[in-house]
Amino acid sequence: QLQLQESGPGLVKPSETLSLTCTVSGGSISSSSYYWGWIRQPPGKGLEWIGSIYYSGSTYYNPSLKSRVTISVDTSKNQFSLKLSSVTAADTAVYYCARHDNPPATVAGFDYWGQGTLVTVSS
Amino acid sequence: QSVLTQPPSASGTPGQRVTISCSGSSSNIGSNYVYWYQQLPGTAPKLLIYRNNQRPSGVPDRFSGSKSGTSASLAISGLRSEDEADYYCAAWDDSLSGLWVFGGGTKLTVL
Repeated sequence: QLQLQESGPGLVKPSETLSLTCTVSGGSISSSSYYWGWIRQPPGKGLEWIGSIYYSGSTYYNPSLKSRVTISVDTSKNQFSLKLSSVTAADTAVYYCARHDNPPATVAGFDYWGQGTLVTVSS
Repeated sequence: QSVLTQPPSASGTPGQRVTISCSGSSSNIGSNYVYWYQQLPGTAPKLLIYRNNQRPSGVPDRFSGSKSGTSASLAISGLRSEDEADYYCAAWDDSLSGLWVFGGGTKLTVL
């Protein structure tokens, strides 16, 4: 059974860089069928897609966050990572990692999700 | 402001049928599949419907999805107390370089 687990600091200071890692177990991140994505959810609010990466390094980013986001992959560790720079209180959210099939011809959506990790931006 | 538009709330009594709508545009729902996610309190979202109307293994057939043009709907029949959750629609959007878009979510209350 595929499992995803987010890890990283729960508290980040304003203007600094938020860094999270998602570890994939029970399957290979190098599968040719899937992208690996980050989605966030501010407290009490809805879901926002941040971006996704293929094992080769090909990426899609949300245009609204693109200038501050870097997503990378480490196939040797079966992990992918998120960096969000110049954070403010508005970036406080639960951050989820999830798997989806290849866009634009997606058919399965985000089918596996991590449990999520709360990141608070505060001094 | 979400790209896909959902009603913020919906409600029903046990056994009733409720529907949740999701409105988009030609670049998302109009040209790509719609997905629905259920988020129980304090948990990660769970895929409920994929490819407009398909249920993953383990999802009861009380849940059904449909799509027409640039709109989609999620129907829940035989409403149960455990269906009380937030529901989100999503679709791939072909605009710009491509991106996933979500609805703002609908909080379903079972009265």
